[in-house]
Amino acid sequence: AQTVTQSQPEMSVQEAETVTLSCTYDTSESDYYLFWYKQPPSRQMILVIRQEAYKQQNATENRFSVNFQKAAKSFSLKISDSQLGDAAMYFCAYCRLSGTYKYIFGTGTRLKVLA
Amino acid sequence: KAGVTQTPRYLIKTRGQQVTLSCSPISGHRSVSWYQQTPGQGLQFLFEYFSETQRNKGNFPGRFSGRQFSNSRSEMNVSTLELGDSALYLCASSRDKEYNEQFFGPGTRLTVL
Repeated sequence: AQTVTQSQPEMSVQEAETVTLSCTYDTSESDYYLFWYKQPPSRQMILVIRQEAYKQQNATENRFSVNFQKAAKSFSLKISDSQLGDAAMYFCAYCRLSGTYKYIFGTGTRLKVLA
Repeated sequence: KAGVTQTPRYLIKTRGQQVTLSCSPISGHRSVSWYQQTPGQGLQFLFEYFSETQRNKGNFPGRFSGRQFSNSRSEMNVSTLELGDSALYLCASSRDKEYNEQFFGPGTRLTVL
């Protein structure tokens, strides 16, 4: 069975600094998607970044980038130039491409941004 | 384009009652998934519907059920409520089977007393 693990329940970062959130996963599949979702205090979950497993190049979206290590089954999120609006719960998620369609989420990391 | 909407936003029920939650996906999205979010467990997958058929199901008891209508709107029902059912219930929609991005609704906060 696939699992997603976020070992950091809470992280803090100073405004304008860089922070990295960790995520590891376990799967026997070779094709899948990985995601980072952000859930601000208002509760609306939004997609931050997506990585296709077959792509070697790490995904980047403005200040957000990932370090995808397929062999190590690691998928970390780096937030550069942190802003107060980045404060939220961040969830790592996995979705396989074969068989039945099901997302598996990690337990989340709460990110605090300090002014 | 309107986002995913969920009604009601808040619900208070007592043990033993039943509840129905509603989700309207983004126009054109045929897949609707439901999740239970609690502080200790994170997001747990309940089930997913695609074209009115339940395509996948998580590990929840039979008290949790759902359905999807021809317009892709979905409902989730929980019968014989227990205190442990108190949670934020999130609905997410996506375009089709290509495992695209899921768009989440604001959730329904259910409190069971």
